[in-house]
Amino acid sequence: GENVEQHPSTLSVQEGDSAVIKCTYSDSASNYFPWYKQELGKRPQLIIDIRSNVGEKKDQRIAVTLNKTAKHFSLHITETQPEDSAVYFCAASTSNYQLIWGAGTKLIIKP
Amino acid sequence: EAQVTQNPRYLITVTGKKLTVTCSQNMNHEYMSWYRQDPGLGLRQIYYSMNVEVTDKGDVPEGYKVSRKEKRNFPLILESPSPNQTSLYFCASSLSTGLGETQYFGPGTRLLVL
Repeated sequence: GENVEQHPSTLSVQEGDSAVIKCTYSDSASNYFPWYKQELGKRPQLIIDIRSNVGEKKDQRIAVTLNKTAKHFSLHITETQPEDSAVYFCAASTSNYQLIWGAGTKLIIKP
Repeated sequence: EAQVTQNPRYLITVTGKKLTVTCSQNMNHEYMSWYRQDPGLGLRQIYYSMNVEVTDKGDVPEGYKVSRKEKRNFPLILESPSPNQTSLYFCASSLSTGLGETQYFGPGTRLLVL
């Protein structure tokens, strides 16, 4: 079945540095790719998404890039801050109205 | 306030004792979904519903039931819970059929089955 692989599972970066999280998907029909952030003890919340007709999307310090040929997409966070510490999930749509989720990346921002 | 609510937030039960976790949204959303979250496995979809009286299996439906009699409510039923259903459960909703729409999550229900 369809699956989404997410790497790394844990990422530790110095405050102010950039962080990159990568996901690959298997379903060539996937056309919607959201990223959710889950702070400790809280619910996941959408931070950015991209559709297959776009290669890159940016929102202040976060950006997502999509390579449909290679079937991978990435989340980029620049100038990381302590409040960026969280678990980040990528997901990819399927043709039957589901989202298939990656296993998550725990991002740690070191002061 | 627009929100998704779940009850209870925490539940400890014993094997075989039927339980229901309620989910309600006040945003007039058509699409609702249940996920379970387990360490290292991310979010896995249990069931979803695209509208009233329409439900479909997700990736891990075994041992669960749902119903969608009203647009706002989407309860998750465990007829005979087992220890492997110990998990963190999230209900989510979105305006339409889910693709390209933001999913709004409830606060989560932490379930322990002894």
